[in-house]
Amino acid sequence: QVRLQESGPGLVKPSQTLSLTCSVSGDSIGIGDYYWSWIRQTPGTGPEWIGYIYKSGTTYYNPSLKSRVTISLDTSRNQFSLNLSAVTAADTATYYCARVHPYTTDNFPGGWFDPWGQGTLVTVSS
Amino acid sequence: YELTQPPSVSVSPGQTATITCSGDGLPQQYAHWYMQKPGQAPVLVMYKDSERPSGIPVRFSGSSSGTSVTLTITGAQAEDEADYFCQSPDNTGSYLVFGGGTKLTVL
Repeated sequence: QVRLQESGPGLVKPSQTLSLTCSVSGDSIGIGDYYWSWIRQTPGTGPEWIGYIYKSGTTYYNPSLKSRVTISLDTSRNQFSLNLSAVTAADTATYYCARVHPYTTDNFPGGWFDPWGQGTLVTVSS
Repeated sequence: YELTQPPSVSVSPGQTATITCSGDGLPQQYAHWYMQKPGQAPVLVMYKDSERPSGIPVRFSGSSSGTSVTLTITGAQAEDEADYFCQSPDNTGSYLVFGGGTKLTVL
């Protein structure tokens, strides 16, 4: 059974960089045709897709966040990570990692998210 | 680009609940559905419009017509009470979008 677990600081100061790691068990992120994704959600709203990464290192990002986001992977540790720079209070949210089942591995892969990690709350505040 | 869902749907136990999601890109793009209970992560309940993942009860079904997709729960149970979100690529097929969510009440 595939499991994902987010980890990282729960509090980040404004203008700093938010860094989270997702540890994957039950699957190898360096094998297979899945993408690995970050999603965030604020209370009472729908989730917001941040971006995802393929085993080759190919990434796709939400245009609204692209200038501040970097997603990377570490196949030796079976982990992938999120860096979000220059954070403000608007970046306060629960952050989830998830495995993506793509329609294709050519061009934009689309896809659906399954499973998700349990999520981690990150608050941006001084 | 937006996916539009009704904020709330309410049914009595045993009745049929229908939750809709509208978007201009849906004729060309698959949609997927997630259920989220308070304090929990979303769980996939339908993918590629009408495919049900293993472990999801058969009372859950999905359909697509034009610019809308629909999640139907036939014989809704109290345990189905949750927020439901649709998800799909935007109409240019270049990024992923979620709907705003529908709160399903079963009482």
